[in-house]
Amino acid sequence: GQNIDQPTEMTATEGAIVQINCTYQTSGFNGLFWYQQHAGEAPTFLSYNVLDGLEEKGRFSSFLSRSKGYSYLLLKELQMKDSASYLCAVRDNPSSNTGKLIFGQGTTLQVKP
Amino acid sequence: GAGVSQTPSNKVTEKGKYVELRCDPISGHTALYWYRQSLGQGPEFLIYFQGTGAADDSGLPNDRFFAVRPEGSVSTLKIQRTERGDSAVYLCASSLGSGGYNEQFFGPGTRLTVL
Repeated sequence: GQNIDQPTEMTATEGAIVQINCTYQTSGFNGLFWYQQHAGEAPTFLSYNVLDGLEEKGRFSSFLSRSKGYSYLLLKELQMKDSASYLCAVRDNPSSNTGKLIFGQGTTLQVKP
Repeated sequence: GAGVSQTPSNKVTEKGKYVELRCDPISGHTALYWYRQSLGQGPEFLIYFQGTGAADDSGLPNDRFFAVRPEGSVSTLKIQRTERGDSAVYLCASSLGSGGYNEQFFGPGTRLTVL
């Protein structure tokens, strides 16, 4: 079956660093995405990993280990506006080439002053 | 440029009624996806279009759900005989292609409430 796990909630302090973990078990793998979703709004793209290693993009970094079925999103210098839900998503089996995303339940991050 | 748009933003209907939800993808995007998101959950895949054809409809929960994209641009998700369990936010996303570094751009969603 398809299973993506991430913590339900996390709390961190403004200016700090937070790491949101994601583990996955899927029938196929063709890339892992992180999206940010503010309450009542559309998910917006943050990062994409298809090879093992770290991808850095400003205050956000994402790591992937395919052998471990594991990824994390690292947010540095937290700001109040980073309070949102963070969604981990795996793109499905490359042989079907549909590109459909399988999402975790999302991690709600609350940044406190 | 314009992003993905969806109409209506909110739809309240009664159990048993028929509803249509519309999605306008980003111009030039050939891939179009419908997802459904329940409160506190991540989006759940429903259907994928490549051009005009439904290339993967494996996520549609049952035959009350149907979607079309007749001209390869605008798509309509149709739900017959709505049930209270259909209440959710229906998200549409589009991308240039289905593979590689092709991120999906999401619309704001239609919040469907079935009374």
